[in-house]
Amino acid sequence: DIQMTQSPSSLSASIGDRVTITCRARLSIASSLNWYQQTLGKAPKLLIYAASTLQSGVPSRFSGSGSGTDFNFTIDSLQREDFATYYCQQSYSSPNTFGQGTRVEIK
Amino acid sequence: DVQLVESGGGLVQPGGSLRLSCAASGISVGDNYMSWVRQAPGEGLETVSIFYSGGYEFFADSVKGRFTMSRDESTNTLYLQMNSLRAADTAVYYCARGGREEPFDYWGQGTQVVVS
Repeated sequence: DIQMTQSPSSLSASIGDRVTITCRARLSIASSLNWYQQTLGKAPKLLIYAASTLQSGVPSRFSGSGSGTDFNFTIDSLQREDFATYYCQQSYSSPNTFGQGTRVEIK
Repeated sequence: DVQLVESGGGLVQPGGSLRLSCAASGISVGDNYMSWVRQAPGEGLETVSIFYSGGYEFFADSVKGRFTMSRDESTNTLYLQMNSLRAADTAVYYCARGGREEPFDYWGQGTQVVVS
């Protein structure tokens, strides 16, 4: 299994802040990296796929970058509805493993 | 609009069985990679199984030999048969489109399974 490691595991930020989350794969996964948002009690929602492609309907303040083993996920100008847990996930090989999640909290 | 609606969760004793259903609309479960992803209480996400009717099936090591997947084309429903359930299988189970090389782009609302 390809282990995915996210950092930080949690962070506190204010409305309007720029937030960046890092995801590292144990081996190269090319650009097969997706990002999800999960709010309490809800199913995850796909935000970014193929490392940097914004899913339809997702606001442009969300972005992703990277390839190989190192990836970044950024939220420009954090909004109230963005306080949630974010997961990276590789779709390079089965099982499609997830990072452990990054909880974004209000400062 | 795509909708995935899970059902079949509940409370079961260790060693028992449950069958989860995922009723799909707006997509065909026979034409897509379909997966079950679970989330234990307070934990992260784990891909449990992936199914493609064209000839691909995957199960996590933790459920291999105990869980099976099937589909009913007539009702456009995906099933997860879970046998020999353990406390460690306690989780919310989500049905999702995607898996293998595809992102999980559509998710159901989840169904709770408690093994106790």
